[in-house]
Parts: sequence; structure tokens; C-alpha cells
Amino acid sequence: AQKITQTQPGMFVQEKEAVTLDCTYDTSDQSYGLFWYKQPSSGEMIFLIYQGSYDEQNATEGRYSLNFQKARKSANLVISASQLGDSAMYFCAMREKQTGANNLFFGTGTRLTVIP
Amino acid sequence: EAGVVQSPRYKIIEKKQPVAFWCNPISGHNTLYWYRQNLGQGPELLIRYENEEAVDDSQLPKDRFSAERLKGVDSTLKIQPAELGDSAVYLCAVPVRGANTGELFFGEGSRLTVL
Repeated sequence: AQKITQTQPGMFVQEKEAVTLDCTYDTSDQSYGLFWYKQPSSGEMIFLIYQGSYDEQNATEGRYSLNFQKARKSANLVISASQLGDSAMYFCAMREKQTGANNLFFGTGTRLTVIP
Repeated sequence: EAGVVQSPRYKIIEKKQPVAFWCNPISGHNTLYWYRQNLGQGPELLIRYENEEAVDDSQLPKDRFSAERLKGVDSTLKIQPAELGDSAVYLCAVPVRGANTGELFFGEGSRLTVL
């Protein structure tokens, strides 16, 4: 079974609008971490935001917030006030405590295009 | 602080040729990862090192892939012989120091094209 599922191959958003990128995960571990990375066309992986499974509040980092719904096993990324520079691939990833130190499992990604 | 230098950035070879990729975690890290990212996919773990020991290589295709990290610093990933399906970006990553979240810092990757 896929550990991370991203069902949106591509998303479009108007500049200055908010957009939500979906991510669901599958784990039997009680302790895990969820990450979002951005990959521009240049190829580097840029860390955006992290949510721990025991964190009670949704993580926020500037214009990025993570909508964590533990019972639904979802960890959607919300980008507010989209900018043209947000156009990129976005990957959701999970680290499980039981699988060892910091092994990250990635989803297939969502390509976000910001329209001027 | 974390930094990862990878080379070469791009490599084009014909199938059945060997190829090697190099990774230097310039800040010095005990843990080092090699990931492979196929076109249109997310990165997939190939191997994890703790110092010079490969502690998780279950996803490394051992018939043609090999890796080493002799002094626990630089690492090389080798493919011999390369196949068409090996075309991908090979990413090296290290944990970010001071981040207890498990965040990884990735190098820019080595893009391999097998013709």
C-alpha cells in the first residue's frame, strides 16, 4: 500500500488566491512526522513545513499552513496569497519512527501553476 | 547548517555503460541518504548510511547498483551496467542539524539520461 497519496497531479490557482494541495497517508505507527517539500523546475528540494503526529495545533510557516486531520489521515498543504514563484512541484512526505532514522517516503507530487 | 554538493549535475551515457555519482555533505554528517527520483514521481530511498555503514539498502538494486562511503564523509553511487530505466535524478540528502523533526536537506541532484 502507498504510504503517501497525492491525488492531484496538477492544480491551477489565480495569483493572490489560496490553494489547498491534498495529501493522505497510511501508517500503523503512532509516532510519525509529515513534511511538505517544494521542487521548482531547477530541481532542488526545498523544505516547507513539518507536522508531528502528536502536535495538537496545525503547523504554520509564513504563507504555508498544514491542515492536519489525524482521524482522516490527511495532511493538506494550504498556500495563502499565491505568488507566481509558487509554481512548482509539491511533495508530501512521511517519516515513521518504526522504519528508522529519518527515512522519508514521498508521494507522487502535485504540480501547482499560479496564473497571473 | 547543512550543505550537500553533488556531481556531476548531468550525465548522458549509453546503455550498458558504467556511471558514478559523488556526494559530499560539506558540513559533515553521520547520516547520508541516496534517493532516486524518476520523472514525474517523488524521490524513493535507495540507501541510508550511518557513518561508513549502510544500515538500510533494502531498496538498492544490488545486481547493478553499488554504493560506498569509505571514511564516513563523501559517498559514491555506482551503476554498472546502466539500463534505460535507470534514467532519473539521483539525490543525496543529509539530516538538518538542530532540526529534531527529521527534516532532510537535499543536494541539487545528478540527472542521468541513459540512451
